[in-house]
Amino acid sequence: AQKVTQAQTEISVVEKEDVTLDCVYETRDTTYYLFWYKQPPSGELVFLIRRNSFDEQNEISGRYSWNFQKSTSSFNFTITASQVVDSAVYFCALSEPAGGGADGLTFGKGTHLIIQP
Amino acid sequence: DAGVIQSPRHEVTEMGQEVTLRCKPISGHDYLFWYRQTMMRGLELLIYFNNNVPIDDSGMPEDRFSAKMPNASFSTLKIQPSEPRDSAVYFCASSLGQGATGELFFGEGSRLTVL
Repeated sequence: AQKVTQAQTEISVVEKEDVTLDCVYETRDTTYYLFWYKQPPSGELVFLIRRNSFDEQNEISGRYSWNFQKSTSSFNFTITASQVVDSAVYFCALSEPAGGGADGLTFGKGTHLIIQP
Repeated sequence: DAGVIQSPRHEVTEMGQEVTLRCKPISGHDYLFWYRQTMMRGLELLIYFNNNVPIDDSGMPEDRFSAKMPNASFSTLKIQPSEPRDSAVYFCASSLGQGATGELFFGEGSRLTVL
């Protein structure tokens, strides 16, 4: 069973629009960590945020915000006033320390975000 | 500060040849991960090390793949013999103290094409 689902394979919006990337996870652990990584066209993966399962506070960092809802097992990522430089593939990931194997870190398949000028 | 350094950035080889990918983690980091990225399977963990010791290699596809970490500043991923289905981007990542529950720092990847 897929543990991290990013149902949106590709999203295309016009610059300055707001866009939300969805992430739904599955775990039986009470302690786990959620991440978002960005992969720009240059290829490297860049860490954006880490959340632990006991902290449901939403977070805002500039134009980026994250909504963590345990009730729906979701950890969605919103970019406000999108810019062309936001174009990238975004990965959601789940780490389950009790899950074995590199703390059970599992990546979703990614969402390719295209921001058109 | 230098990030994770991988080499080569691009490798094109013929089926049956040996391929060696190299990684220098961030100085002081005690965890090192090798990932493979393909369109079909996404990002897959191949193997990871803690303090230079391989902890879990269950993600290594088969015996053709091997990885070593002779010291804290160097790791290799070897494929011998290579096959076209090994074509992928191979990423090395390192982290400090928290394994994969903390932030992973990725290299720029090595794009492998096996003809």
